[in-house]
Amino acid sequence: GAVVSQHPSWVICKSGTSVKIECRSLDFQATTMFWYRQFPKQSLMLMATSNEGSKATYEQGVEKDKFLINHASLTLSTLTVTSAHPEDSSFYICSADTSGTSTDTQYFGPGTRLTVL
Amino acid sequence: KQEVTQIPAALSVPEGENLVLNCSFTDSAIYNLQWFRQDPGKGLTSLLLIQSSQREQTSGRLNASLDKSSGRSTLYIAASQPGDSATYLCAVKRNDMRFGAGTRLTVKP
Repeated sequence: GAVVSQHPSWVICKSGTSVKIECRSLDFQATTMFWYRQFPKQSLMLMATSNEGSKATYEQGVEKDKFLINHASLTLSTLTVTSAHPEDSSFYICSADTSGTSTDTQYFGPGTRLTVL
Repeated sequence: KQEVTQIPAALSVPEGENLVLNCSFTDSAIYNLQWFRQDPGKGLTSLLLIQSSQREQTSGRLNASLDKSSGRSTLYIAASQPGDSATYLCAVKRNDMRFGAGTRLTVKP
């Protein structure tokens, strides 16, 4: 089956620093990737949709200047949390879409736990 | 905007019991519906995927049904085991995937 990886799996950083999270589709090409955020004991909330080679579409309430998304290739999307603060501490999950194939399914990465001190 | 609701929010049952988790969604124009399991601090494990043209899917002790016209899906777990304890998430997909808040299941030995 399709595999999506994320790196790193966890990261601890100081307030004010920037953190980059990578999302890769390992055995398929994904024209669309999605970024979700999950706070403790809450469900996944869609942050943004990124299409290869174009600007990401952000959900209402998500600051595009704070959460920079780059989808430079069909197998890689990155999320950079700029000037991270403790309230940005969360579990970030990406997924890759196989739309256009017979399965039309989203496959999810294992998540990245960000802790901002 | 698609809204996904899961009932109940939490459920505690003794081992061996059969149980049903419910999911409802407001926009029936979906491509598919998926049930996931999430253990504490972990990522998502896909359990069952139902395409919009399908009525149900089965995997082992799990059975999921979909009534797209009424905006409902159920996940049936037979003969529950302590290892089934987790949060179960329902998600519907059209252009993107929207999640319910989940049902936290505890199966007591």
